[in-house]
Amino acid sequence: EPEVTQTPSHQVTQMGQEVILRCVPISNHLYFYWYRQILGQKVEFLVSFYNNEISEKSEIFDDQFSVERPDGSNFTLKIRSTKLEDSAMYFCASSERGGVGGYTFGSGTRLTVV
Amino acid sequence: QKEVEQDPGPLSVPEGAIVSLNCTYSNSAFQYFMWYRQYSRKGPELLMYTYSSGNKEDGRFTAQVDKSSKYISLFIRDSQPSDSATYLCAMRNGNSGYALNFGKGTSLLVT
Repeated sequence: EPEVTQTPSHQVTQMGQEVILRCVPISNHLYFYWYRQILGQKVEFLVSFYNNEISEKSEIFDDQFSVERPDGSNFTLKIRSTKLEDSAMYFCASSERGGVGGYTFGSGTRLTVV
Repeated sequence: QKEVEQDPGPLSVPEGAIVSLNCTYSNSAFQYFMWYRQYSRKGPELLMYTYSSGNKEDGRFTAQVDKSSKYISLFIRDSQPSDSATYLCAMRNGNSGYALNFGKGTSLLVT
């Protein structure tokens, strides 16, 4: 069964550093998303991406965050100047159409900011 | 009022029991409803996807949506120890955007 692949599975970074989280969505999917889950809290939407541009973003997704599809297969989330409160699981997801039929999530990257 | 409310549990049931998991929501614009299963430190795995009121069955799972009451349920028949996980309801607006709104999840333990 096709899956969304995320790397790395765990990243530790120093406060103030920049991190890039990487995702390979399912190949025939056109819509891509990033979500995060702070330990013990609900999964929260960050951003959706379609046709090489952001289609929707949440209040969480401020200037500290950016997304990019650098080539035909990868989808990245960059977090600049990381803060302790950025520590969370970050999930990439993709969907064939705009969420019709559901979204497939990756296994996540656990980001720890120290 | 939170948009999506879900009792976090934990819910503990014996093997073979019927499990009922529920969510309520406040936004009448939500039109698409999903249930995800999440194992510890893993990504959510889609179990059920519905977009209309009524029941949808898939194997041991039945999803139920009541839009008039803003209430959705997931039933698991003949529960197995492998069903032990956190179950997340998720829903999204039918008119604009693709962002999912998640419940906090219900932790289920089947023993």
